[in-house]
Amino acid sequence: DSGVTQTPKHLITATGQRVTLRCSPRSGDLSVYWYQQSLDQGLQFLIQYYNGEERAKGNILERFSAQQFPDLHSELNLSSLELGDSALYFCASSVGTGMDGELFFGEGSRLTVL
Amino acid sequence: QQQVKQSPQSLIVQKGGISIINCAYENTAFDYFPWYQQFPGKGPALLIAIRPDVSEKKEGRFTISFNKSAKQFSLHIMDSQPGDSATYFCAASIIRNYGQNFVFGPGTRLSVLP
Repeated sequence: DSGVTQTPKHLITATGQRVTLRCSPRSGDLSVYWYQQSLDQGLQFLIQYYNGEERAKGNILERFSAQQFPDLHSELNLSSLELGDSALYFCASSVGTGMDGELFFGEGSRLTVL
Repeated sequence: QQQVKQSPQSLIVQKGGISIINCAYENTAFDYFPWYQQFPGKGPALLIAIRPDVSEKKEGRFTISFNKSAKQFSLHIMDSQPGDSATYFCAASIIRNYGQNFVFGPGTRLSVLP
């Protein structure tokens, strides 16, 4: 158990809908990262937050947004969903801004868009 | 320049054999190279990591070899076991950059036959 909690574990929705994925980082970790993993694909970095502020942005679509709250949990909002958005979405956390090295990953939220 | 290349895409090894996975990068500013292990249905977990000031790091049956001049690094799994069957991701990052995200390779699916 990495200590990173993601909910929901599975989500099935329809095209055009909006969903919110939630992540609680390890106790004491200030950085939260979001990654997308499509079928048989690698890990695509979406966005990183550190102590409530956006720190780095990757290949995140304009239809997607995220935020980190004062209690350090984070939410990833996916809107106007398309079939191609079906994927595993991972949250990871680290103590600092990535300078400490290790990322701790949650078990992911599997999104299926029908 | 941010890309990390990884090969092979899949690997089948007999129990007791040596598994070798190779990665290459272009950005000479990368200064932290971790390997992550992912079992089906789980999030990736840090396996072993190396900084470019050393050429080799060994932890149990797992060894990272690093060639700075060639901009390549590899993971060697000695005495491979069926329990090692998983997907392995190499990654690279720039620790000194505030908020710099990790770059992951596309992954190698390892199957160790009993």
